[in-house]
Amino acid sequence: AQTIHQWPVAEIKAVGSPLSLGCTIKGKSSPNLYWYWQATGGTLQQLFYSITVGQVESVVQLNLSASRPKDDQFILSTEKLLLSHSGFYLCAWSPNWGSSAETLYFGSGTRLTVL
Amino acid sequence: QQKVQQSPESLSVPEGGMASLNCTSSDRNFQYFWWYRQHSGEGPKALMSIFSDGDKKEGRFTAHLNKASLHVSLHIRDSQPSDSALYFCAASEGTGYQNFYFGKGTSLTVIP
Repeated sequence: AQTIHQWPVAEIKAVGSPLSLGCTIKGKSSPNLYWYWQATGGTLQQLFYSITVGQVESVVQLNLSASRPKDDQFILSTEKLLLSHSGFYLCAWSPNWGSSAETLYFGSGTRLTVL
Repeated sequence: QQKVQQSPESLSVPEGGMASLNCTSSDRNFQYFWWYRQHSGEGPKALMSIFSDGDKKEGRFTAHLNKASLHVSLHIRDSQPSDSALYFCAASEGTGYQNFYFGKGTSLTVIP
C-alpha cells in the first residue's frame, strides 16, 4: 500500500524567515507529485507539479519554489516568508500512467502560520 | 475564473437525513470528476470518482454525472455526524499530466 508522509505537521515562522516543507511517498515508483495551498476553509490551489525527478513545473507564482531531489521526495521552500504564505500546505500524488484519469491522493498537510 | 462551481456553500441536515451537493463545470474539456471529503485539520480524501454519465453508488454515497450539462452531484443517504466535513468537487481533462481543478467546497454539518 502507498503511504504519503508530510513534515512538519505545523510551523510558526516569522516574516522574512526561510521555510522548507517536505513529503515522501512510499510504495509507488515514479508518481506524479503536487503541492497545493489551502487558505482556512478555502479551496485547493495547485502550486507545483512534477512528473519526474529533477523536473518541477510552477502553476502559480507565490514567491515559493519546489524541488524533487529523489523519485519519492518533494520539497517546497522559500528564502523569505510573507504573511500571505500562511495556510495549509498539502502534498499529493497520482499514478504516472499517462493514459487515463487517476485519483489524486493527499497527505495530511502542514499548517503554516507566518507572524 | 473558477472553472468548477459548487453549491450550496454550506448545508445542514439532520442525522439520518439526505444531503445533496452540486457541482457544475464551465469547461467542456473536463471528462473526469471526483468528490473529496476533508475533515478539519486533515488532508482531503477521495470519496469517489465518476467518469461516465449516470449514477455511481458506493455505500451511502451516490454520485450522478450529466456530461451534457457538465453537472455532477453527490447524495449522502442516512447522513451521520461523522459526515460533517468540507466536500470538494474536482475535475480534470484526464490526459497525461493532470491538472486538477477544485471547487470552493460545500461545508456539510450533520446535526445529531
